[in-house]
Amino acid sequence: AQSVTQLDSQVPVFEEAPVELRCNYSSSVSVYLFWYVQYPNQGLQLLLKYLSGSTLVKGINGFEAEFNKSQTSFHLRKPSVHISDTAEYFCAVSEWGSQGNLIFGKGTKLSVKP
Amino acid sequence: DARVTQTPRHKVTEMGQEVTMRCQPILGHNTVFWYRQTMMQGLELLAYFRNRAPLDDSGMPKDRFSAEMPDATLATLKIQPSEPRDSAVYFCASGQAGDWNEQYFGPGTRLTVT
Repeated sequence: AQSVTQLDSQVPVFEEAPVELRCNYSSSVSVYLFWYVQYPNQGLQLLLKYLSGSTLVKGINGFEAEFNKSQTSFHLRKPSVHISDTAEYFCAVSEWGSQGNLIFGKGTKLSVKP
Repeated sequence: DARVTQTPRHKVTEMGQEVTMRCQPILGHNTVFWYRQTMMQGLELLAYFRNRAPLDDSGMPKDRFSAEMPDATLATLKIQPSEPRDSAVYFCASGQAGDWNEQYFGPGTRLTVT
């Protein structure tokens, strides 16, 4: 069965520092991969997605993620964070040919400090 | 700007009362998902529908929860009777099957049962 592990529940970082949020998944078939962001008191918003092709995926707000099939990882990165990036980030996986449901990780709370 | 809408945004009710949450998926989307989010459990999938038919409701407590799609523009989640442990934020999401399983989330209904 597919599963998603977000290795860090909380990541504190100073403004303008780089950040990496880690995500590992398990699946016996090919997958689609997603990162969603949830700002306080809001719903989840799609940040970026990997479907196929280039393993480096660029998303909104300067975020990018790299798909590594051999390590079954899909880590999210940003070279310089802003206070406004403070939010919870969810990694999600969906198997090719599945019924359409996503399996979400537990989330990582990114806290950007001035 | 197509969006998923949810009503009400906030609901406070007493234990034992019936609660109905409503969701309007994005026009043209044929898959609707209901999630529950709590601090303890994170994001949990309760049920989802394809073309208004339930595909999976295994995440939903059957004795008190029910989910329906009376038509393609309305999904409902009902709790009867409600209990304090049902306090959570309930999200609806919609998507188009085959569209890489990307989901679009509504703003959520924050339910407090006293």
